[in-house]
This record gives sequence, structure tokens and C-alpha cells, in this order.
Amino acid sequence: LAKTTQPISMDSYEGQEVNITCSHNNIATNDYITWYQQFPSQGPRFIIQGYKTKVTNEVASLFIPADRKSSTLSLPRVSLSDTAVYYCLVGEALSGGYNKLIFGAGTRLAVHP
Amino acid sequence: DGGITQSPKYLFRKEGQNVTLSCEQNLNHDAMYWYRQDPGQGLRLIYYSQIVNDFQKGDIAEGYSVSREKKESFPLTVTSAQKNPTAFYLCASSAGRNYEQYFGPGTRLTVT
Repeated sequence: LAKTTQPISMDSYEGQEVNITCSHNNIATNDYITWYQQFPSQGPRFIIQGYKTKVTNEVASLFIPADRKSSTLSLPRVSLSDTAVYYCLVGEALSGGYNKLIFGAGTRLAVHP
Repeated sequence: DGGITQSPKYLFRKEGQNVTLSCEQNLNHDAMYWYRQDPGQGLRLIYYSQIVNDFQKGDIAEGYSVSREKKESFPLTVTSAQKNPTAFYLCASSAGRNYEQYFGPGTRLTVT
């Protein structure tokens, strides 16, 4: 059974660029890829969304290869306040034409001084 | 946060009791979702609704029930059939399937 996978944790230092990759080898044709940030005891917060190629907003970039079987969230010049858990959300194609939205297990990013 | 309210923030219940968690949104969103999060774990989908009077089971619907009688409301009932109900419950809404989900602040349920 295909599933969405992310690294469990990552460490970085202030000012560095961080790249977090999510593998989703059974992504549904029509679904977008969305990334969220979550701080402890809070609801997740939207970061960025894309369908293919590259998307950039004021806080992050999202890189999606042509086959869309993975995506990479890029956080430029991280700060201590970027310490959080990052989730990818994709639609997984299932039999019968039904697509299911699935969150990855999350990547715990720790930014150090 | 951002138009989604969940109440209460903390809820304590005795084992064997049903409990209903509230979720209200004023964003005029069609879709609403309920997720469960256990300590150190990701989000697991319990139920979702794409439109009023319609809802579908997610990955872990057993022991839970929902209703969607109004567009702005999507209450979740945790029944006594749910074996391990203690968890952090998150409600979300979105304009549609491929739109950003807005999350509420969550309800932490403790059953003893």
C-alpha cells in the first residue's frame, strides 16, 4: 500500500536553508501538494501549495518534479522560530476512482543558534 | 484560529461516557474535517464532509460519529466504543478539496 513518507527529524542552524522532502508515489492525478507547519498544542498552519514545477511565496518554496512522486519544501535562512513539525498533505489515488487526502507523519525540525 | 472555533480547549470525561466536541466556522467553507493527533504523532483523519448533510469516514472512524446539519457546524461525538479516546482533536475547514485547510485551536480530551 502506497503511503506518504517524510524524514522523522532534521536539525539545522540559524541562517541556513532547510529542504524537507516528502515522497508520495501514488499521488492522485488531480490533487495538489500542500505543506503545513505545526507548533506544540496548536492546529497546523498552511505554508505553501503547488501542483507541479516550482512555487514560491514569502516564506517558502516548493519544488515538484515532473512525475510528482515527491515534493521538497525549502525554507530559506531559517530562524529559531521555525522550530516546528512540518507536514505534507497529498491526495492518494485509490481503486474505484476515489482519492483520499493523507497527511505525512511529519518532520520535526530543530533550529539551533 | 482564523474563523474556526473549537470548544472546549480541555475536556475531561469518565470512561463509558459519550462526549461531543464542538467545531464552528464562519469562513463559508463547504468542506470540514476532523483529525486525531496522539502525542508525537501525525494527524489521522476521522471524518470529513464535503457538503451539508453528507460526510464520509476517514482512516479511523470507528467509535466516532458526526453530523453536518449546518454549513458552519461539524460536531464530533466520541462514543464509549472508542477504545483509546484520550487525544488531541483538531477540526479544519476548506473551500474545497484542493484548497488550504484552516485549523481550529484543538480540543484536548482526557478520558479516565
